[in-house]
Amino acid sequence: DTAVSQTPKYLVTQMGNDKSIKCEQNLGHDTMYWYKQDSKKFLKIMFSYNNKELIINETVPNRFSPKSPDKAHLNLHINSLELGDSAVYFCASSRGTGEQPQHFGDGTRLSIL
Amino acid sequence: RKEVEQDPGPFNVPEGATVAFNCTYSNSASQSFFWYRQDCRKEPKLLMSVYSSGNEDGRFTAQLNRASQYISLLIRDSKLSDSATYLCAKSTGGGNKLTFGTGTQLKVEL
Repeated sequence: DTAVSQTPKYLVTQMGNDKSIKCEQNLGHDTMYWYKQDSKKFLKIMFSYNNKELIINETVPNRFSPKSPDKAHLNLHINSLELGDSAVYFCASSRGTGEQPQHFGDGTRLSIL
Repeated sequence: RKEVEQDPGPFNVPEGATVAFNCTYSNSASQSFFWYRQDCRKEPKLLMSVYSSGNEDGRFTAQLNRASQYISLLIRDSKLSDSATYLCAKSTGGGNKLTFGTGTQLKVEL
């Protein structure tokens, strides 16, 4: 009965590869997010979708492409992985876009070799 | 200046102590504020929202001072299990973008 779930939890891959991370929420929320937490533990928003529509894109390289097939799912595809992409990626959701608390998934730890 | 700033700590306190963290923010347009707790290698978990009138949840009290642009978190009667990193966050309209501070580490010791 996990509220926000991400897969995989761990991802180890070579530089230059393409990989995807999936996120699903069963809270009935309309809005979903991707955050990146770097090695210094700084947590920064990347994207936000509301009801399948992109509403926030925080100057993320276009190697990162989010996709929301429905409002319960938000996936993140990353092309041509670079060393600097190593981080923990968190998915989150909230009821809507009106400055409401967000609930986080347990993260995907991406390591680039 | 960062949008949200916190003292990284660590704050080492004995069990039973009272400890307070402050978090300053810029951009007075921010309307909503939150405290999250993050344990090592875990996700951030919402601890409490912060209201202008101040709010309390058990041993935790949050305050917002809009004039001075800071929020605070007070933890009374600290428990070992309170050891974690505490992140403050502000939400700015137009998509509910959360901007986080870098977190304050708390270590509660016997």
